Amino acid sequence: LAKTTQPISMDSYEGQEVNITCSHNNIATNDYITWYQQFPSQGPRFIIQGYKTKVTNEVASLFIPADRKSSTLSLPRVSLSDTAVYYCLVGGGSFSGGYNKLIFGAGTRLAVHP
Amino acid sequence: EAGVTQSPTHLIKTRGQQATLRCSPISGHTSVYWYQQALGLGLQFLLWYDEGEERNRGNFPPRFSGRQFPNYSSELNVNALELEDSALYLCASSSGGINIGPPRETQYFGPGTRLLVL
Repeated sequence: LAKTTQPISMDSYEGQEVNITCSHNNIATNDYITWYQQFPSQGPRFIIQGYKTKVTNEVASLFIPADRKSSTLSLPRVSLSDTAVYYCLVGGGSFSGGYNKLIFGAGTRLAVHP
Repeated sequence: EAGVTQSPTHLIKTRGQQATLRCSPISGHTSVYWYQQALGLGLQFLLWYDEGEERNRGNFPPRFSGRQFPNYSSELNVNALELEDSALYLCASSSGGINIGPPRETQYFGPGTRLLVL
């Protein structure tokens, strides 16, 4: 499974756009990129998933360059409630369970300040 | 639609005892996953069950075991508890099985069971 590298922590202010970049240099051809959000003492919550180019939903956007060796989660106009840990995961290249054995890294701790 | 549920929410045990944690997946989901999250750390994959079978296992000793029932609910058992087993244990479910195709199925997490070993 592809290993991911994210910044350990980030700080932002309310109303700003936050971009969190994840590196995954050895991503496989069939791998997807998925981002989760986790609040303290809660289970992670799915945010967005993509394969290439750009994906947007009501919560965030995911930008994936052509070489797919990195991805950027973009959170528009963050609020205090966006303070959480954000995990980038890469997998899904195998029909025999490669995706199912998700590898969660340490994630990025985002702190949003008033 | 009800999400993934886990019980109990908190569990206190002493060293050497056994702990049993339970998980009910989202209706219609056949896959259940277990993760361990020690305080302040990332999630560590424990086990994956699908259609009643153990499909994959993380790097944990055999005293961590589990099973999946015909209704797709699951149990995680931890024998001979050690102090370092204290953690948040998270269960997730997905509708994907071993033959899922793209796009990959998302895993939906429960609130977790906080296990404290004294």
